[in-house]
Amino acid sequence: GESVGLHLPTLSVQEGDNSIINCAYSNSASDYFIWYKQESGKGPQFIIDIRSNMDKRQGQRVTVLLNKTVKHLSLQIAATQPGDSAVYFCAESNAGGTSYGKLTFGQGTILTVHP
Amino acid sequence: GAVVSQHPSWVICKSGTSVKIECRSLDFQATTMFWYRQFPKQSLMLMATSNEGSKATYEQGVEKDKFLINHASLTLSTLTVTSAHPEDSSFYICSASPNQETQYFGPGTRLLVL
Repeated sequence: GESVGLHLPTLSVQEGDNSIINCAYSNSASDYFIWYKQESGKGPQFIIDIRSNMDKRQGQRVTVLLNKTVKHLSLQIAATQPGDSAVYFCAESNAGGTSYGKLTFGQGTILTVHP
Repeated sequence: GAVVSQHPSWVICKSGTSVKIECRSLDFQATTMFWYRQFPKQSLMLMATSNEGSKATYEQGVEKDKFLINHASLTLSTLTVTSAHPEDSSFYICSASPNQETQYFGPGTRLLVL
């Protein structure tokens, strides 16, 4: 999961396993949450998003869970593949506010998938 | 669709010189563009928010005279790092938003100041 500090949390899994990446967000007014995947030397790539009026959303092989009570977000990746190896970031936004959709990123988690 | 490009993809410069980075939305109009900086093994830190035709809004601790942002059109924003120093070496990433919610990210520009 996410943590404060310069050392990114890491998660190592075997190919085919399910992965769960966690994120604690800080702003109780945030109403829009996104998970991004970033490969080395590239910009973030959108994976899945969820609004605060939902607690679960599913995509292709990915599921995002939102627990507003404890301000916790998780990303579940089913049947993880070596190509899923990357750094994963959660981001929060107050889309209904006046911040022009400004995103605040979490610390990131390094996912390594072993063949 | 929703492609954002950055140019250059990497740049090496001498200390004291200025470097301009371009961010373009290729297939949509971006009312808002954002500039981020990312140091190795760290998260993205927002530097500034830029709306077309108006002055950029800088985050706390980011010097507006050091990092000049111009958003002259709905498809182009530029970031100029003035009088760059080694501590400015970083990965600079832009994003563009057509609707103040969804952000599409560019591929990033790696800056190395010698």
